[in-house]
Amino acid sequence: DAGITQSPRHKVTETGTPVTLRCHQTENHRYMYWYRQDPGHGLRLIHYSYGVKDTDKGEVSDGYSVSRSKTEDFLLTLESATSSQTSVYFCATGTSGGAGGELFFGEGSRLTVL
Amino acid sequence: DQQVKQNSPSLSVQEGRISILNCDYTNSMFDYFLWYKKYPAEGPTFLISISSIKDKNEDGRFTVFLNKSAKHLSLHIVPSQPGDSAVYFCAASAHDGNQFYFGTGTSLTVIP
Repeated sequence: DAGITQSPRHKVTETGTPVTLRCHQTENHRYMYWYRQDPGHGLRLIHYSYGVKDTDKGEVSDGYSVSRSKTEDFLLTLESATSSQTSVYFCATGTSGGAGGELFFGEGSRLTVL
Repeated sequence: DQQVKQNSPSLSVQEGRISILNCDYTNSMFDYFLWYKKYPAEGPTFLISISSIKDKNEDGRFTVFLNKSAKHLSLHIVPSQPGDSAVYFCAASAHDGNQFYFGTGTSLTVIP
């Protein structure tokens, strides 16, 4: 198993507060992804990174920003959390982008915005 | 628009019988497809994949079939076991892209 650690695993916050979720990997994978899982929507890509300091938007990027200052860490920030961002967030890593291979997922971070 | 669709939110199957999970996609650029399995409170785990140069890939009890003309793939589980009860996601990517697109998932229940 790829060593992927997400923190925090659970968080409850209030609307308007900033939140940062951290993903840490020990596999030296080039690609890192943040997904959110919501009922009826499956897994939707928020942002991804294809290298240190190289990031791009996914299909549901509004209200989120990311940073990757080193290979092993990928941070997801909600600048001002809203109730619509209540979700389970999954980090994933991969070696080859869309050109084959697989994604390895972390255990998820459950965020509740009150 | 959802580029990968799983139109059956749930499926129930008797233990020992075949489970067939279906997935459709709309983007003709997709050429690599994967299936993931997810238990509650855990992250998805990779199950099996198939490249568009093939129409079938098998791994033990799991077989994935790809029909490129219909933009359809299916996962067959034979025989189904209670431990297979989980949510199954299909995903797709294009070789010249960096993104993986997931479907909405099918919750499989295998009844002992």
